[in-house]
Amino acid sequence: DTGVSQDPRHKITKRGQNVTFRCDPISEHNRLYWYRQTLGQGPEFLTYFQNEAQLEKSRLLSDRFSAERPKGSFSTLEIQRTEQGDSAMYLCASSPQMGVGSEAFFGQGTRLTVV
Amino acid sequence: TQLLEQSPQFLSIQEGENLTVYCNSSSVFSSLQWYRQEPGEGPVLLVTVVTGGEVKKLKRLTFQFGDARKDSSLHITAAQPGDTGLYLCAGALRYGGSQGNLIFGKGTKLSVKP
Repeated sequence: DTGVSQDPRHKITKRGQNVTFRCDPISEHNRLYWYRQTLGQGPEFLTYFQNEAQLEKSRLLSDRFSAERPKGSFSTLEIQRTEQGDSAMYLCASSPQMGVGSEAFFGQGTRLTVV
Repeated sequence: TQLLEQSPQFLSIQEGENLTVYCNSSSVFSSLQWYRQEPGEGPVLLVTVVTGGEVKKLKRLTFQFGDARKDSSLHITAAQPGDTGLYLCAGALRYGGSQGNLIFGKGTKLSVKP
């Protein structure tokens, strides 16, 4: 399977703990995106990378959130001191190009539950 | 405020009926994508429209991009239970804002009953 892969699929954690999610994009896609989706809502943009450079962060990404893409391939999203409001589906997507018509291909997501 | 407004929010129909879902904005988009999402899964890309006035067909699904590139519609003919899911439109802004990310609508939750 050469699609976008996310790990883990599900994560249950206690409030205050740190969690880290991994995303492996489609090979040779130089753009990688992180989105968050809560029940009944569309995905909300968090951040994106062009190769290893983090080019944009949403104001949704508080200082408890950090994302990396060290070698321009896989990416990690870490949430420190989790809160119940962080419970959501975290989606990763990758895109082969920038500009008009670029299409994002999504992974299956990581469902985070903070108890 | 939501940049992309989708309507209706919920739609429940019988198998065989036709339906149209709308995606509207006051902003101009370089391109617009439609995705379908099932519970617990990531969105799956259905189509991308780029040119104002463009119409694309995918079997029983017809997608249209408005002439002014501010709106789009998805029409499904003879809906089947397998069409059930959350339909999301997403666009890349043409002017201003961020050029780097897709903006999503809240989605239309479609239920097709046999």
